[in-house]
Amino acid sequence: GENVEQHPSTLSVQEGDSAVIKCTYSDSASNYFPWYKQELGKRPQLIIDIRSNVGEKKDQRIAVTLNKTAKHFSLHITETQPEDSAVYFCAAAETSYDKVIFGPGTSLSVIP
Amino acid sequence: DAGVIQSPRHEVTEMGQEVTLRCKPISGHNSLFWYRQTMMRGLELLIYFNNNVPIDDSGMPEDRFSAKMPNASFSTLKIQPSEPRDSAVYFCASSFTGGQSGPQHFGDGTRLSIL
Repeated sequence: GENVEQHPSTLSVQEGDSAVIKCTYSDSASNYFPWYKQELGKRPQLIIDIRSNVGEKKDQRIAVTLNKTAKHFSLHITETQPEDSAVYFCAAAETSYDKVIFGPGTSLSVIP
Repeated sequence: DAGVIQSPRHEVTEMGQEVTLRCKPISGHNSLFWYRQTMMRGLELLIYFNNNVPIDDSGMPEDRFSAKMPNASFSTLKIQPSEPRDSAVYFCASSFTGGQSGPQHFGDGTRLSIL
């Protein structure tokens, strides 16, 4: 089955700097890669997703890149703000029935 | 859009008791997922349904756990008997499956404490 790894497990950046979180997956058949943000005590919320026919996708300060050959994908947050502090989860979906496998999460702290 | 609705939000009960968690997916969604989240194990998929049919229950930890989806707008996750190690936050999520995998929308979760 699919296995998703995520690095780093914790990340601390100064406000205004960029943050990068990297993930790898094992199943070459995966074709859908969402990213979720979870604030303390809250539910995971989708912030951006990418499909295997796209190499990069941007939404304001957030961008994701996908390298299908190497089976890795990354989340980039530019101009970080204190409200970006949260746990971020990457995930990969198998090809059928929407079974999404989550990575272990990255705890991001943005220092004012 | 009311989102995914879970109840109760918090549950505290003694070990050995039966616990029932409830979920109402977003209207029109045809896939439903139950997750368990703990510090030690992260976010684990327990079971998921597609068109009310259980597709994969390999994540259900033991026979003490069972899940049902009697119709498109309701699902339950039951633990009987409950044990302290079942203490966790349980999330329900739903999505629409229409040929391509779609984003899952999570409910606010049920924080379960077994004493």
